[in-house]
Amino acid sequence: KNQVEQSPQSLIILEGKNCTLQCNYTVSPFSNLRWYKQDTGRGPVSLTIMTFSENTKSNGRYTATLDADTKQSSLHITASQLSDSASYICVVSPGGSQGNLIFGKGTKLSVKP
Amino acid sequence: DAGVTQSPTHLIKTRGQQVTLRCSPKSGHDTVSWYQQALGQGPQFIFQYYEEEERQRGNFPDRFSGHQFPNYSSELNVNALLLGDSALYLCASSFFFPNKLGYEQYFGPGTRLTVT
Repeated sequence: KNQVEQSPQSLIILEGKNCTLQCNYTVSPFSNLRWYKQDTGRGPVSLTIMTFSENTKSNGRYTATLDADTKQSSLHITASQLSDSASYICVVSPGGSQGNLIFGKGTKLSVKP
Repeated sequence: DAGVTQSPTHLIKTRGQQVTLRCSPKSGHDTVSWYQQALGQGPQFIFQYYEEEERQRGNFPDRFSGHQFPNYSSELNVNALLLGDSALYLCASSFFFPNKLGYEQYFGPGTRLTVT
């Protein structure tokens, strides 16, 4: 069964600190992996997209890594800001499918002053 | 350039009723996908429309149906509403690239449906 699991479920950090979110997937065949940021009650906003041939991709203070062999990904946030408080969702697209994205449940990040 | 827009923002319906949600894709996009997001869960794929046809479908009953218009906008219809249909319904648009990996989907703000 195609699944995406994320950890931790929630995380509280102090402003200015770094953090790393984890994602494990069992989707096969694999096309690409994305990280989205979702503010409460809003639609997800894409942070990064990686295909199986990419190991790392950065978007400002966000850096995503992908290990297609172990089927693991991480999202590292550097120098966190209060505006980083949101849910971060790992999403995997199965091969041959442009629509059927498989979402994790997300990690809820709270950045405190 | 407006991004993906959805209407209405919020909606309250009674069990057994029918509802129609609307989505306008980002300018230049021709593909619309619909997702259901229950509280505290990740979005789940309902279906995708391209060239006015349903191209892919997730594990949702026939009570969920849709339509895409020539201008690429789309509607999601849900019949015989159940309490469990209460969720945030997200629309995402993209441009269809055959055999392309890593295409981008842009999400709208969602419609919050509450069934009482």
